[in-house]
Amino acid sequence: GENVEQHPSTLSVQEGDSAVIKCTYSDSASNYFPWYKQELGKRPQLIIDIRSNVGEKKDQRIAVTLNKTAKHFSLHITETQPEDSAVYFCAATGANNLFFGTGTRLTVIP
Amino acid sequence: DSGVTQTPKHLITATGQRVTLRCSPRSGDLSVYWYQQSLDQGLQFLIHYYNGEERAKGNILERFSAQQFPDLHSELNLSSLELGDSALYFCASSVASYQGNEQFFGPGTRLTVL
Repeated sequence: GENVEQHPSTLSVQEGDSAVIKCTYSDSASNYFPWYKQELGKRPQLIIDIRSNVGEKKDQRIAVTLNKTAKHFSLHITETQPEDSAVYFCAATGANNLFFGTGTRLTVIP
Repeated sequence: DSGVTQTPKHLITATGQRVTLRCSPRSGDLSVYWYQQSLDQGLQFLIHYYNGEERAKGNILERFSAQQFPDLHSELNLSSLELGDSALYFCASSVASYQGNEQFFGPGTRLTVL
């Protein structure tokens, strides 16, 4: 089955700086890669996703890049704000479900 | 609000007991997924149902079972509970079962086993 690894597990940045979270996957058949944000005590919410026929996707301060050859994808957050502080999960599709990474706890220091 | 509802929000029970968690998917969604999230852990996929049929199984213990009913709501049954079963249980729903559908998560049920 699919194996998704995510790094780093924790990340602290100064407000206004950029944050990058990286994930690798094992199943070359995976073709959908969503990123979820989970604030403390709340549900995971989709913030951006990318499909395997696209190399990069951007939505305001958030971007995701995908390298199918190397089987890795990354989340980039620019001009970070305190409200970006949360746990971020990457995921990759399996046969009928998503496999999630172990999460990155992002702290934005004002 | 994602449109996915879960009841109850909190559940406190004792070891050896059995509980049932309930999930109602978004209107129109046929797929329901169950996940377990232990303290400071990631989301562990348990099981996926599509239109009443089991589609995929993850790391679901034999003590756990699930089903999806004709009205598409789903229940996760946890029996012979152990301390280690304490966790946040999420269900999510999506329109279809194939890869590439956004999953919408419910608010979760926090289970505490004493």
